Amino acid sequence: NAGVTQTPKFRILKIGQSMTLQCTQDMNHNYMYWYRQDPGMGLKLIYYSVGAGITDKGEVPNGYNVSRSTTEDFPLRLELAAPSQTSVYFCASKGTSNTGELFFGEGSRLTVL
Amino acid sequence: AQTVTQSQPEMSVQEAETVTLSCTYDTSESNYYLFWYKQPPSRQMILVIRQEAYKQQNATENRFSVNFQKAAKSFSLKISDSQLGDTAMYFCAFMKPPGTASKLTFGTGTRLQVTL
Repeated sequence: NAGVTQTPKFRILKIGQSMTLQCTQDMNHNYMYWYRQDPGMGLKLIYYSVGAGITDKGEVPNGYNVSRSTTEDFPLRLELAAPSQTSVYFCASKGTSNTGELFFGEGSRLTVL
Repeated sequence: AQTVTQSQPEMSVQEAETVTLSCTYDTSESNYYLFWYKQPPSRQMILVIRQEAYKQQNATENRFSVNFQKAAKSFSLKISDSQLGDTAMYFCAFMKPPGTASKLTFGTGTRLQVTL
């Protein structure tokens, strides 16, 4: 079972470059999320989506954009990369069951130099 | 807004011993979910245990159990018979129940080292 798949797993960017982190899930989940994890810290919510065509800001949205054109895909766009965006990025999804469990991808380590 | 506090940045336990990780949270909600996630060096986020606030009985999953004190807003994780494979970061997390945006709020984590 694929679950939540993120690409790429590692990427180095130069300051000012742009890139898109891809996330796809095959569980037909309505809810999808992007978190970032800075060294030694917990995860902070960047953006989330409750369904195709609907997105909203989380705790730390500045410098990022998202779109949700399909149920499966939730890409995260970094515009004009800055060193402060060096982090590990996690995509997650959740279905409508009452367990509340989020299913996470394996993470994408991004370094901005 | 909800906050989750883990006051123990690092802990160490010997193999086969028991360890308890602390977590407190702040919310005005009466119904919610609480979770403990494990993050080993592989970086993968793994659900360890979950607790629904309306259930008074503490959740248990094999060697993992919680002590949920709703009035005190406390949610500690007990690991019994610790194993080397339990070495990881452990995150406490809070979620408002489904039907809302169901966003997960994390604490800053406790790094657990299991030693021989």
